[in-house]
Amino acid sequence: TQLLEQSPQFLSIQEGENLTVYCNSSSVFSSLQWYRQEPGEGPVLLVTVVTGGEVKKLKRLTFQFGDARKDSSLHITAAQPGDTGLYLCAGPGTGANNLFFGTGTRLTVIP
Amino acid sequence: ETGVTQTPRHLVMGMTNKKSLKCEQHLGHNAMYWYKQSAKKPLELMFVYNFKEQTENNSVPSRFSPECPNSSHLFLHLHTLQPEDSALYLCASSQQAGTGGVREKLFFGSGTQLSVL
Repeated sequence: TQLLEQSPQFLSIQEGENLTVYCNSSSVFSSLQWYRQEPGEGPVLLVTVVTGGEVKKLKRLTFQFGDARKDSSLHITAAQPGDTGLYLCAGPGTGANNLFFGTGTRLTVIP
Repeated sequence: ETGVTQTPRHLVMGMTNKKSLKCEQHLGHNAMYWYKQSAKKPLELMFVYNFKEQTENNSVPSRFSPECPNSSHLFLHLHTLQPEDSALYLCASSQQAGTGGVREKLFFGSGTQLSVL
């Protein structure tokens, strides 16, 4: 059974701090996506990583896909209150239409 | 109005009620999805429609009945639900399903928060 474990499950930090959240699996994925879900809203796609070892940057967010394509990390520099939300990784499931979501990391950035 | 719109935003229903959730997308997409988000479980895919045809039913109980009359509208009909069905139900759309799996960008609505009493 495919499983995407995200850690930590909850994270509360002060504004301006740096943080890293992780998405791990025992399965190899052809690619992974990262979404952010703000309170009261649906998830919004942040990035897709497709190559082992790939690093993508989105302003203060840095995404990395593991060399073996089994894991990914998201690093946020100088966190802002607007970064607060649920961060979800997702990968292709067993069906062509099936996007498989991770367990999520709920981040709170305190002003 | 743009994007993916879901109504109602909140719904409280008894176990014997029948209700429907509505989703409308204004993005010109051909694929629409229903997901369930519970407090203690990862986001779960329920149904996929591609060009109005159902292409995925992820072992969802028959008390959930989807309907896709056209590529812009998706409904989820609910009847005789259980308290454990209380969750956030999210609708999403993409350009097309099945062309590359995760490479397709999903656009989500804000969801319907469902409480079953």
